[in-house]
Amino acid sequence: KNEVEQSPQNLTAQEGEFITINCSYSVGISALHWLQQHPGGGIVSLFMLSSGKKKHGRLIATINIQEKHSSLHITASHPRDSAVYICAVRVGGAQKLVFGQGTRLTINP
Amino acid sequence: GAGVSQTPSNKVTEKGKYVELRCDPISGHTALYWYRQSLGQGPEFLIYFQGTGAADDSGLPNDRFFAVRPEGSVSTLKIQRTERGDSAVYLCASSSKPPGSGGSSYNEQFFGPGTRLTVL
Repeated sequence: KNEVEQSPQNLTAQEGEFITINCSYSVGISALHWLQQHPGGGIVSLFMLSSGKKKHGRLIATINIQEKHSSLHITASHPRDSAVYICAVRVGGAQKLVFGQGTRLTINP
Repeated sequence: GAGVSQTPSNKVTEKGKYVELRCDPISGHTALYWYRQSLGQGPEFLIYFQGTGAADDSGLPNDRFFAVRPEGSVSTLKIQRTERGDSAVYLCASSSKPPGSGGSSYNEQFFGPGTRLTVL
């Protein structure tokens, strides 16, 4: 079993829909990252959080430390949001990131 | 300012050959990380540098893989006797320490575009 599990693996939605991507982890962490990767492109950091909730534009990330669970929400989704979204955790005092498998999101116009 | 850069962007080599992959981190970032991403998978940690020293090399798969960061900025990942299974995108990231942090805590990691390595 991977230390970081994401669901769903693939998600297709229509433009304008509210999107939720989930991440569960099984280890103690010091921080959780949400990352975005476009096809053929590099990885961009969206959020780094260790508690509560963060919002940036149409993106919202939440984390529940007790339940070892985080969600990434996209409001009013747009085709340009189509990408792979990756959850990654920093385990304990280590600096390295442990990554989930990613969620491939496709937003159709 | 400039982000993390990696060269080459693509590298095709033959089985058994030696390759070097270069990473230029963001200026002033003291931490540098190497990850490897196979097709359809999330990245996997290889090695992490704090300054010039390898603080954690637990992700290097075997002794064919080696990385250096002699002056605490540019890093080179070296792979000897390449195998077809080494084919992947090799990602580099860097990060800085939050102001006033006395411990080992670092800010978010900034990723380079990756080097796609293909071993024939």
